[in-house]
Amino acid sequence: AQKVTQAQTEISVVEKEDVTLDCVYETRDTTYYLFWYKQPPSGELVFLIRRNSFDEQNEISGRYSWNFQKSTSSFNFTITASQVVDSAVYFCALSAHSGGGADGLTFGKGTHLIIQP
Amino acid sequence: EADIYQTPRYLVIGTGKKITLECSQTMGHDKMYWYQQDPGMELHLIHYSYGVNSTEKGDLSSESTVSRIRTEHFPLTLESARPSHTSQYLCASSFGTSGMVWETQYFGPGTRLLVL
Repeated sequence: AQKVTQAQTEISVVEKEDVTLDCVYETRDTTYYLFWYKQPPSGELVFLIRRNSFDEQNEISGRYSWNFQKSTSSFNFTITASQVVDSAVYFCALSAHSGGGADGLTFGKGTHLIIQP
Repeated sequence: EADIYQTPRYLVIGTGKKITLECSQTMGHDKMYWYQQDPGMELHLIHYSYGVNSTEKGDLSSESTVSRIRTEHFPLTLESARPSHTSQYLCASSFGTSGMVWETQYFGPGTRLLVL
């Protein structure tokens, strides 16, 4: 069975602070993919990043960075110098072959990030 | 930017009505999905399709049905809406075929359904 845990239900920080969103996953597969999506108040899911299980290099994209550690089954997401526009719900998701038969994504419960001006 | 569309964006309807939620994509993706998301909760897969004439049930049991007559179109139907169906429904699509788990899923804007 697959599982994604986002223990932080809600995080509130002041603008320009750095913030890290945690994601811990469980899977029996050796080949799997991890994703982060952003869901602003308008409701759509915006794709941010995809990472495969064989690539443990950290990735940086502008103010966003991701830290993938297989040893701790974690795929954490950091926003540097946060901005009000970063306010949204962020979902971590997992895709693997043994996903219970359906080829969809397994999502965490999401972290509601609030950036205060 | 993903080209996947959902209509209506918002729907308020009475119990017992039949409704169809539309989803279309112009990216030529073979795989399409429907997810259900209750307020403040995670998404759960309710239906997916590998291509034309293919439909499968997802992890979460749903009273809705889907069809895939055209590659670009994946509508979801509720024959008799009930208040328990109140939720947000998100459609997604990706390249690839069965067993390919690495393809990114791109989501539509969602339909927020309220059944009174």
